[in-house]
Amino acid sequence: DTGVSQNPRHKITKRGQNVTFRCDPISEHNRLYWYRQTLGQGPEFLTYFQNEAQLEKSRLLSDRFSAERPKGSFSTLEIQRTEQGDSAMYLCASSATGTGLDTQYFGPGTRLTVL
Amino acid sequence: AQSVTQLDSQVPVFEEAPVELRCNYSSSVSVYLFWYVQYPNQGLQLLLKYLSGSTLVKGINGFEAEFNKSQTSFHLRKPSVHISDTAEYFCAVTYRGGKLIFGQGTELSVKP
Repeated sequence: DTGVSQNPRHKITKRGQNVTFRCDPISEHNRLYWYRQTLGQGPEFLTYFQNEAQLEKSRLLSDRFSAERPKGSFSTLEIQRTEQGDSAMYLCASSATGTGLDTQYFGPGTRLTVL
Repeated sequence: AQSVTQLDSQVPVFEEAPVELRCNYSSSVSVYLFWYVQYPNQGLQLLLKYLSGSTLVKGINGFEAEFNKSQTSFHLRKPSVHISDTAEYFCAVTYRGGKLIFGQGTELSVKP
């Protein structure tokens, strides 16, 4: 079990640039979640997929944010025209359904700094 | 709507002392409850979870939590803490899977 992996671990960008993050879930997990965590706060839900279908999106996910999971395996989160307020830790989690409850396992996160 | 309140933002404690981190939730339906730990610059690690059944749940690293439905609480406890327990602790709730709703976190600081 290799766990959830995220790349890159750190990203520094200038305001207005586009960035893309990748998440590789645990291999047998069919659900994949994205959260955002700012300093001193708990993670906030952004969106989640079951297989390749995006089932829910938070109101936090503005039109500058887009997430995909094209083959039901890895996922990407893209932020267009970044703003300083986008600086945060972006966390990915995965889980398996079919057991009555999906326990979410988290990756190490991608820390985004927008200058 | 579901929400989670962690009543203490910081808890300083001496090594080998007991500790309790408090968590209250609000929900109009049955929920599942979790505690996660986050070490600096890392992701979240699951400590324990309550799904149903026994209200006392045991987790990793000697932690346990008690589900109290009447008080809508899910407090985390450890009888004797170590320096290595210094971290941020998050309580979270979900309704039958799906997104997690997190509290704001409690910073546990264990001093020698």
